[in-house]
Amino acid sequence: NAGVTQTPKFQVLKTGQSMTLQCAQDMNHEYMSWYRQDPGMGLRLIHYSVGAGITDQGEVPNGYNVSRSTTEDFPLRLLSAAPSQTSVYFCASSYKASGSMAGELFFGEGSRLTVL
Amino acid sequence: QQPVQSPQAVILREGEDAVINCSSSKALYSVHWYRQKHGEAPVFLMILLKGGEQKGHEKISASFNEKKQQSSLYLTASQLSYSGTYFCGTRRNNNDMRFGAGTRLTVKP
Repeated sequence: NAGVTQTPKFQVLKTGQSMTLQCAQDMNHEYMSWYRQDPGMGLRLIHYSVGAGITDQGEVPNGYNVSRSTTEDFPLRLLSAAPSQTSVYFCASSYKASGSMAGELFFGEGSRLTVL
Repeated sequence: QQPVQSPQAVILREGEDAVINCSSSKALYSVHWYRQKHGEAPVFLMILLKGGEQKGHEKISASFNEKKQQSSLYLTASQLSYSGTYFCGTRRNNNDMRFGAGTRLTVKP
């Protein structure tokens, strides 16, 4: 049981390059989300999904795209990387999206991205 | 829409107690608490649902006052292993989870 798996763990990009951060979970979780973590700002929600084919924007969606074609995968795409996107990115999932079953978030190990 | 946490940082000696607060201006469905060690992912501590029930996890407990949209995390008889950054996460009925900026807790021998 791998839980939430993120790849890559480290990445260095040049300004203007594009890339995809991969996230996969093997727990059949309905809810998946992406956060970025910057010093002193906690975890800020980028995008989230409440099921396959359904995505929505969080607090800081600009410059990022997501899709959810399967229950297991939720990739995050950086369209044209900027230095302001230098951050640690966490993917997280939970069993349900809402209601009394909307339980704990399981986090991946994080992906550290540097944009030069 | 991010919840507000206080204090920003706390320094304790082993065995001392601490309280971390979390408040929101919006009506909440649930409050979550997580702890993150340096260089690691956040780890779930507990969840509190509407109803004000207090939850516990060993010597760490929490309460949720849904009228005031406030939650507090209580750490009693702190141990060195309690050091880390604590985040509260809040969920409204629109499903997404928002986190506070975090409270850095340092426990010294």
